[in-house]
Amino acid sequence: KQEVTQIPAALSVPEGENLVLNCSFTDSAIYNLQWFRQDPGKGLTSLLLIQSSQREQTSGRLNASLDKSSGRSTLYIAASQPGDSATYLCAAKAAGNKLTFGGGTRVLVKP
Amino acid sequence: GAGVSQSPSNKVTEKGKDVELRCDPISGHTALYWYRQSLGQGLEFLIYFQGNSAPDKSGLPSDRFSAERTGGSVSTLTIQRTQQEDSAVYLCASSSDRGTGNTIYFGEGSWLTVV
Repeated sequence: KQEVTQIPAALSVPEGENLVLNCSFTDSAIYNLQWFRQDPGKGLTSLLLIQSSQREQTSGRLNASLDKSSGRSTLYIAASQPGDSATYLCAAKAAGNKLTFGGGTRVLVKP
Repeated sequence: GAGVSQSPSNKVTEKGKDVELRCDPISGHTALYWYRQSLGQGLEFLIYFQGNSAPDKSGLPSDRFSAERTGGSVSTLTIQRTQQEDSAVYLCASSSDRGTGNTIYFGEGSWLTVV
């Protein structure tokens, strides 16, 4: 059974610092890994999707890497802004097209 | 609309009553998912529909929960004889096809409170 873990559960950084968010998964037989953002009281917004054959994906200040052999993905957010404050979740997609989510990392960027 | 639409956005119900939650996926999306998120918890998979295939119901927590998808589009999640532990946000998501590389899009969720 796939298990996805995100550590730390919460993170606080001053504005301008780079953010590094970690995601680990136990079963490397994934199709893809997706990063989401969730604001309080809202649904999930997709940020980046990395296919199992890819090593990384980039979108603006966001960069996500994937290392299947070690069961890890990392989301980097460059030059953080207060508007980046949210909960970030990763999800691994495997056989049966089921997404297994991590518990999320709650990020606070202080002005 | 362009996104996944869920209704009601908020629902307060008395313990023991039945509730229905509705999801309108993005037009043309054949895959539809229901997840549950309890306060301070991660997302819990409930059920997955893909086209005309039999749904994956492996995440439904009890036989009080059921879901259907009519005409391959709109889906309804029904909770019978609600309990307080059913209080959560119920999130619906859709994606375009069976492909492994398609982004999944979520709705804003239906916030259920059982009192």
